[in-house]
Amino acid sequence: AQTVTQSQPEMSVQEAETVTLSCTYDTSESDYYLFWYKQPPSRQMILVIRQEAYKQQNATENRFSVNFQKAAKSFSLKISDSQLGDAAMYFCAYRSAYNFGNEKLTFGTGTRLTIIP
Amino acid sequence: NAGVTQTPKFRVLKTGQSMTLLCAQDMNHEYMYWYRQDPGMGLRLIHYSVGEGTTAKGEVPDGYNVSRLKKQNFLLGLESAAPSQTSVYFCASSSRPGREYEQYFGPGTRLTVT
Repeated sequence: AQTVTQSQPEMSVQEAETVTLSCTYDTSESDYYLFWYKQPPSRQMILVIRQEAYKQQNATENRFSVNFQKAAKSFSLKISDSQLGDAAMYFCAYRSAYNFGNEKLTFGTGTRLTIIP
Repeated sequence: NAGVTQTPKFRVLKTGQSMTLLCAQDMNHEYMYWYRQDPGMGLRLIHYSVGEGTTAKGEVPDGYNVSRLKKQNFLLGLESAAPSQTSVYFCASSSRPGREYEQYFGPGTRLTVT
């Protein structure tokens, strides 16, 4: 079974600075997808960024980018120019590309990000 | 376009009571899911459905039942609530598997069992 580990329960960053959230995962599969979800105080789960394991290029979405190290099974999220609206719980998640009919996401325990004005 | 909606948003139950959580999606998605979120843990899958009339167990199915009688609705039932079922429940939906796959989440239901 796959596992996802987020070793930083809490992080804080000054507004406009850059912060990196860590995520590692364990799997024996070669094809899979990785996600970062944001959960603000409203509780709504919002997809931030998606990475496909077969793609070597790191995904980017505006101020959000990932550092995907497949051999190390590491998937960190970098937030540049942090804004107050980035304050939230961030979850890393894994999905197998093979489990047709069972598209479940395996989540890490989350990192609470605080933005310091 | 409302996306994924959940009813109710909050509920307090006494031990042994029953209730049903309703999830509705208007995106014509085939797949629907129920997760629970507990403090210090990520979301864990309770049950899921890959189409109308089908359901399957996830990681933590005990104490819950589900039904998918209509494609747009996915019901989660607690027959005899227990304090261990105090949690925040999320419903999600997605289209068929594909490279642009994404699960869309509802706003959550906070359930307290006393």
